[in-house]
Amino acid sequence: SQTIHQWPATLVQPVGSPLSLECTVEGTSNPNLYWYRQAAGRGLQLLFYSVGIGQISSEVPQNLSASRPQDRQFILSSKKLLLSDSGFYLCALKDGYYGYTFGSGTRLTVV
Amino acid sequence: DAKTTQPPSMDCAEGRAANLPCNHSTISGNEYVYWYRQIHSQGPQYIIHGLKNNETNEMASLIITEDRKSSTLILPHATLRDTAVYYCIAWARFRNRDDKIIFGKGTRLHILP
Repeated sequence: SQTIHQWPATLVQPVGSPLSLECTVEGTSNPNLYWYRQAAGRGLQLLFYSVGIGQISSEVPQNLSASRPQDRQFILSSKKLLLSDSGFYLCALKDGYYGYTFGSGTRLTVV
Repeated sequence: DAKTTQPPSMDCAEGRAANLPCNHSTISGNEYVYWYRQIHSQGPQYIIHGLKNNETNEMASLIITEDRKSSTLILPHATLRDTAVYYCIAWARFRNRDDKIIFGKGTRLHILP
């Protein structure tokens, strides 16, 4: 079965510091992968998606970037965090039956 | 993907059936209706999906109207653990390799003790 791993679960970072969130998947090959963000009290916002190694599509212009260096690895990064980058970050995998399978998420607080 | 409309919030007494409506009047023939729920501080969790027929699994039942313009998710015996935000999505599963799910605001379901 397909599984998706995200870490860390929580992160507190100062403004201006860099960010790297990692998502890895198991049990599938060449998956579609997605990064979503959920600000406090808000809905799920699609940030990036990837259909393959090195292929990244950005949904909204922002202070973040994504990379897919390996088939089962998806990374969300920032060079300098802003307060507005705080939120709950979720990685998702497209599944032919369940639609999407989500990771457990990373709660990022920028201070 | 077809736009879906859901009430922003609903209450249900513990032990009673929770009936969550979803309107998807512009759904196309190849789009499935998917339901997910998000418990606080967790990732969304798949509940059920269907195309035309009613569906039931261990978590819930999905009733889709004959014209497919609306559906209802039924949690038969709601418990406090069912308190969550419920998302209804209309999605063509196999349309494009690069298709993506856009989530609306969902329905915040409160189970009352």
